[in-house]
Amino acid sequence: EVVMTQSPATLSVSLGETATLSCRASQGVSSKLAWYQQKPGQAPRLLIYDASTRATGIPARFHGSGSGTEFTLTITTLQSDDFAVYYCQQYNDWPPVTFGQGTRLDTK
Amino acid sequence: EVQLMESGGALVQPGGSLRLSCAASGFTFVNYAMSWVRQAPGKGLEWVAGISGRGGSTYYADSVKGRFSISRVNSKSTLILQMDSLRVDDTAIYYCVKDLSPYNWNQFDNWGPGTLVSVSS
Repeated sequence: EVVMTQSPATLSVSLGETATLSCRASQGVSSKLAWYQQKPGQAPRLLIYDASTRATGIPARFHGSGSGTEFTLTITTLQSDDFAVYYCQQYNDWPPVTFGQGTRLDTK
Repeated sequence: EVQLMESGGALVQPGGSLRLSCAASGFTFVNYAMSWVRQAPGKGLEWVAGISGRGGSTYYADSVKGRFSISRVNSKSTLILQMDSLRVDDTAIYYCVKDLSPYNWNQFDNWGPGTLVSVSS
């Protein structure tokens, strides 16, 4: 099973600043990585797939990068709506599909 | 517009059974693999099971293998999760999720609102 590890667990960033979230895979997953955003009481929403492709309707402020075992989600010009929990997920080696434990993005 | 709506969540005793359903609309259901993903209270996401578009291939997490069964009724655009021998640690919100593309598995672009399964005596 591919273990996904996200860091940090919690990230505090000010409005208008840039947030950088990390995700590491225990073995190479090529570019088969997705990022999701989840707000309290809501289902997750797909942000990025194939490591760097934005899903439909996702603003360009969300940028995914990386391949192999190291991945980054960068959110520029943070808006109040961006404060949420973010999960990475690999779909290269499955079953099982595996998710990271999440990074909570808080306002500083 | 794609819509997914789960139903069937309930409070059940350990060892009991439950059947979840997901009604899908807004896309050609048979063309897409579907999955169930769960989230225990205050915890992260866990993939539970997946099924191919025509239902011929199914996949399970080790934690549910042998106890849960995923199926689909394409004529009714319905995804099903039969859960037997339920355990306390199966308590979670269960999400029905759709793949982004008919050609690539496990990029989950649409999620239902979820249905809560509570296993407790």
